[in-house]
Amino acid sequence: EVQLVESGGDLVQPGGSLRLSCAASGFTFSTSWMNWVRQAPGKGLEWVANINQDGGEKYYVDSVKGRFTISRDNSKNSLSLQMNSLRGEDTAVYYCARDVNGGFGSWFDPWGQGTPVTVSS
Amino acid sequence: QSVLTQPPSVSGAPGQRVTISCTGSSSNIGAGYGVHWYQQVPGTAPKLLIYGNSNRPSGVPDRFSGSKSGTSASLAITGLQAEDEADYYCQSYDNSLSASVFGTGTKVTAL
Repeated sequence: EVQLVESGGDLVQPGGSLRLSCAASGFTFSTSWMNWVRQAPGKGLEWVANINQDGGEKYYVDSVKGRFTISRDNSKNSLSLQMNSLRGEDTAVYYCARDVNGGFGSWFDPWGQGTPVTVSS
Repeated sequence: QSVLTQPPSVSGAPGQRVTISCTGSSSNIGAGYGVHWYQQVPGTAPKLLIYGNSNRPSGVPDRFSGSKSGTSASLAITGLQAEDEADYYCQSYDNSLSASVFGTGTKVTAL
């Protein structure tokens, strides 16, 4: 079964840091582009970042550039999102999702169950 | 802020046909990028419903269909069922933002 399981979500103070992880199983992780997508409470979906198969290409939404870093460890089938200088507007459920067709314009399947991040004092 | 616009809500009686529009621009849908649709039941993760404008993944009922024309796309549910009540999002790629983009989302209600 193709599966993604996120972890690491927590309550953190503004300006703080957090590292999210996503464990992949049931597919060849090392050949897949991967994404992080977030959803603020009561709001819609927002793409956050993606990374190519070997980690050499990374792209981010403007609002997190310079603060978030996406990375992967193909030996552990693991995706990560390091989030620094966190702000209230970063409060959301964070999902990892596989990029099915690779690269630009592709679709996401499957999605993990999500991990909640709350930025508040 | 979303660059793909959807109606906030649509509703219909069970058995009816409902459609959800997704309006973009020349830098995303109009540039030829595929449109994909997701279904999200509140409190759960999104689920892929349609990919590449009109293709259904295995296991998705054929009452769901997608189409694209110009700078817009549509999702149709033919024969609405109570279990179809959920939020629906379109997704594409925007070359001016260099980012994947999602629609604003539409809540579907079976009356």
